[in-house]
Amino acid sequence: AQSVAQPEDQVNVAEGNPLTVKCTYSVSGNPYLFWYVQYPNRGLQFLLKYITGDNLVKGSYGFEAEFNKSQTSFHLKKPSALVSDSALYFCAVRDMLNYGQNFVFGPGTRLSVLP
Amino acid sequence: DVKVTQSSRYLVKRTGEKVFLECVQDMDHENMFWYRQDPGLGLRLIYFSYDVKMKEKGDIPEGYSVSREKKERFSLILESASTNQTSMYLCASSPKSPVTGELFFGEGSRLTVL
Repeated sequence: AQSVAQPEDQVNVAEGNPLTVKCTYSVSGNPYLFWYVQYPNRGLQFLLKYITGDNLVKGSYGFEAEFNKSQTSFHLKKPSALVSDSALYFCAVRDMLNYGQNFVFGPGTRLSVLP
Repeated sequence: DVKVTQSSRYLVKRTGEKVFLECVQDMDHENMFWYRQDPGLGLRLIYFSYDVKMKEKGDIPEGYSVSREKKERFSLILESASTNQTSMYLCASSPKSPVTGELFFGEGSRLTVL
């Protein structure tokens, strides 16, 4: 079965510093990987996805993610963090079983960017 | 701009009440989903639907049912609400094609069962 792990419940970083939010996955076939962000009392917003091709994927708000097949990881990164990046971040993998429709989410990582 | 709309942002119900959560999308998506979000557990799939009148159980369907009579509308029903169903409920939709398409989420419905 597909699964996603986010090993850190909380990540703290100073404004202006680079940030990394970690994600590892387990799938039986080719992975389709996604990052979402959730601001307080809001739904999830799509940031970026990896389907195939270049291992470095660029997304919204200056975020990027690096796909590493040998380490089964898909870490989210940003070169310079903003206070407004503080939110809950979810990594997800598309499960191509069950009619190819389901997504499996990680438990989420809370990012706090300190001024 | 694409949109998934959940009818109620906040609800307070009593144990044993029947609860309806409505979700409408304007993107002509085939797939619709109901997730439950609890701290530390991430998002857990309750039910999803890949076509009108079609539904599939997710990971935690017990205590819930769904209805999809029209393509744009997907309803989650709690037949007899219990306190352990207090949670944030998220509706989402996605196109059937491409299969690599992302999910689009509504703003969520926070349900409290007393």
